Amino acid sequence: NAGVTQTPKFQVLKTGQSMTLQCAQDMNHEYMSWYRQDPGMGLRLIHYSVGAGITDQGEVPNGYNVSRSTTEDFPLRLLSAAPSQTSVYFCASSSGVDTQYFGPGTRLTVL
Amino acid sequence: AQSVTQLGSHVSVSEGALVLLRCNYSSSVPPYLFWYVQYPNQGLQLLLKYTSAATLVKGINGFEAEFKKSETSFHLTKPSAHMSDAAEYFCAVRGGGYQKVTFGTGTKLQVIP
Repeated sequence: NAGVTQTPKFQVLKTGQSMTLQCAQDMNHEYMSWYRQDPGMGLRLIHYSVGAGITDQGEVPNGYNVSRSTTEDFPLRLLSAAPSQTSVYFCASSSGVDTQYFGPGTRLTVL
Repeated sequence: AQSVTQLGSHVSVSEGALVLLRCNYSSSVPPYLFWYVQYPNQGLQLLLKYTSAATLVKGINGFEAEFKKSETSFHLTKPSAHMSDAAEYFCAVRGGGYQKVTFGTGTKLQVIP
């Protein structure tokens, strides 16, 4: 099993550009989440999904969009990148209330 | 609503000394509690978890944590620190119903030779 995979590993954007961060899992987990990690702030939930076709906002959803058309994939879209979105982004999946499995992260810089 | 407070953003211990990383939580429902570890430039991986069974939970790499409901705490301990324990540690709480997880702000552990 590959677990949770994320692409790309690194990305540099200019302000106003859009892009999609990819996340995929092969564990048939129903729950998937996107977090951003900033120094001194821990991980903050952006969006999450409890199954295909069902998504909801976390604590910092502004500027991000998600969809979940399959169990395996949960892409995160930045609609118009801003410097405040410079961060490390982690995708995670889990089954029920059990352990979350994290991807390796995407390091995003917005100039 | 739920929240997690980790006391001390940086903790330094000598190699071989006791490791104690503090975590206090609040939750309106019986919580599930987790400790994750993050090594530099990597994702998070589970150290241990409390899911309403035994209050003393043992994890990987010699770590353990005790759930104390009266103190709303879930502190992480290890009797003897090793150099390889240097990492950032995150406490997390997950309430019942949906599985939204709230993370603490993390504690960086430095192990001094």
